This record gives sequence, C-alpha cells and structure tokens, in this order.
Amino acid sequence: AQSVAQPEDQVNVAEGNPLTVKCTYSVSGNPYLFWYVQYPNRGLQFLLKYITGDNLVKGSYGFEAEFNKSQTSFHLKKPSALVSDSALYFCAVRDGGDRDDKIIFGKGTRLHILP
Amino acid sequence: KAGVTQTPRYLIKTRGQQVTLSCSPISGHRSVSWYQQTPGQGLQFLFEYFSETQRNKGNFPGRFSGRQFSNSRSEMNVSTLELGDSALYLCASKEESALSGELFFGEGSRLTVL
Repeated sequence: AQSVAQPEDQVNVAEGNPLTVKCTYSVSGNPYLFWYVQYPNRGLQFLLKYITGDNLVKGSYGFEAEFNKSQTSFHLKKPSALVSDSALYFCAVRDGGDRDDKIIFGKGTRLHILP
Repeated sequence: KAGVTQTPRYLIKTRGQQVTLSCSPISGHRSVSWYQQTPGQGLQFLFEYFSETQRNKGNFPGRFSGRQFSNSRSEMNVSTLELGDSALYLCASKEESALSGELFFGEGSRLTVL
C-alpha cells in the first residue's frame, strides 16, 4: 500500500527567504505525486503534480517541486516566500500503474511565513 | 464550471445520532471520493465511488457508509455518532479521462458531535 510522510508538522520561514516543505513517499508502482494547499476553513486547492518527465515541476503561485526517485522524495519549494503563503500544505501520492488507485495524503505541514 | 459543492457546511449533532452529508461533483466528473480531516490524523481516505459503485474503501468502521446516484452526486452517512467523529469531511471529484487523476475538492462539511 502506498504512504506519504511529511516529517515536519510546522515550518517557519521569514518573508523573502526560500522555503522548502518536505515529503517522502512509498508506492509499489510508478508514483503520481501531488501537492495541495489548504487555507483556513476552506477545502484543498491543487498546486502541482508530477507524473513523468522533468524532475522539476512548476505549479501555481510560484511554487515548484522536485521529484527525486532515489530518495523517494517530492519536496515543495519556493524561491521567495510571501506572508500570504502561510497555510497548510499536503503532499499526496497514488500508484500511476493502477488507474483506479486512490490518492493517499500526508498529515500536512503548517507553513508560517513571518513578516 | 461550478466547483464541487458540499452541504451542509456546518452541523452539530449529539452522540448516537446519525448524519448524512451531500456532495455534488464538478459537471462531467463521475468519480467522487470522501476524506475525513482531523488535526491529529490529517486527511484519511474514507471511500471512492465511480458510476454508482464503491471502487475503493478506507479503514473506517461500518458506521461510515456512502452511495452515489446516477447523476454522480454522492452522499455519505455516519450512524451512531461518536465524539471522535467530529471532523471536517471533504468530498473531491476527478475526471476519469485525466491521466493523473488529480482531485478537486469542495469546501467541506464540518461536523461537531457533542
């Protein structure tokens, strides 16, 4: 069965500094990987995904993520953090070889951008 | 296109009662998934429905059930509510023809059990 680990419950970053939110995964087949963001009292919004191809994928709001197969990681990054980036971030995975496979989420990482 | 719509947004129940939550997916999406979100456990997968059939199921007790109608709208039901069922219940739909199958979420139904 697939699983996702987000090792940090919370990440604090000063505004303007680069940010990284960590994610590692386990899946039996080819990983399809996703990042979502959740603002207070809202549902999850899709940020970006990796299916195949270039290991660096770009998404919404200036975010990007790097797929590393050998380390089974998919860390979320942004070169310069904004206060408005403060939110809860979820990493997710599904088995790309199984079209009917469910998407499993990590426990989430709360990102605080300090002004 | 309208997004995923969940009703009600907020509800309060007491232990032992039952509750039904509703979800209308994005037009054209035939897959609907349900997740339970709690502060300690993050998002936990409940079940997924596709074409009125349960396709996947998470590790929740039988008190949690769901169904999907011919118009792809879905409901989930929780019977004999317990305090621990207090959570945000999120519904998500996806387009079957999309290779990656990313989910599109509703705003959620926040259930409080007293």
